[in-house]
Amino acid sequence: AQKITQTQPGMFVQEKEAVTLDCTYDTSDPSYGLFWYKQPSSGEMIFLIYQGSYDQQNATEGRYSLNFQKARKSANLVISASQLGDSAMYFCAMRVPRQSGNQFYFGTGTSLTVIP
Amino acid sequence: EAGVTQSPTHLIKTRGQQVTLRCSPISGHTSVYWYQQALGLGLQFLLWYDEGEERNRGNFPPRFSGRQFPNYSSELNVNALELEDSALYLCASSLTGKNIQYFGAGTRLSVL
Repeated sequence: AQKITQTQPGMFVQEKEAVTLDCTYDTSDPSYGLFWYKQPSSGEMIFLIYQGSYDQQNATEGRYSLNFQKARKSANLVISASQLGDSAMYFCAMRVPRQSGNQFYFGTGTSLTVIP
Repeated sequence: EAGVTQSPTHLIKTRGQQVTLRCSPISGHTSVYWYQQALGLGLQFLLWYDEGEERNRGNFPPRFSGRQFPNYSSELNVNALELEDSALYLCASSLTGKNIQYFGAGTRLSVL
């Protein structure tokens, strides 16, 4: 069975500091994709970053980077230089195409609050 | 370029009623996905449509159904509404075979 776990219900970070949001996953399939989405209070899920299981390097997108540790089955999101607009819910998700096609499995999310 | 659009934004229904939610994908995207997000919870996969066909279904009862039209837009129908159906319903779209799903702003359904 496929599973995504986010153990931090809420996190606080000072503006301009870096923050790491934790995500662990479980799948026995060697081919999978890992995603992070941001959900502001408006409700829309905004795609942030993607990491494939066979990618050799950690993914980066601007201030977002994904710390991919395959042996530990972790895919933590690192946000550098936090901004007030980063305050939102953050969801980690996984896709295992050979098991379940394009279906995403989501974690329960982490609420990030950036403090001025 | 327009993103994924969903309508209506809010709905209030009573138990036992039926509801239809609508989703228009990003232009060129042929896959549409539906998710349920109950208050304080993560997203639960409902349905996946691609090229007009239902490709996969999550662990939801048959009163949750939908379809995809030739223009790739989609409807989600929920019959015999129950109180626990109150949730944010999110639609996403992607190019066939591509990883990233792009989401709409959702329809917030309240069942009284």
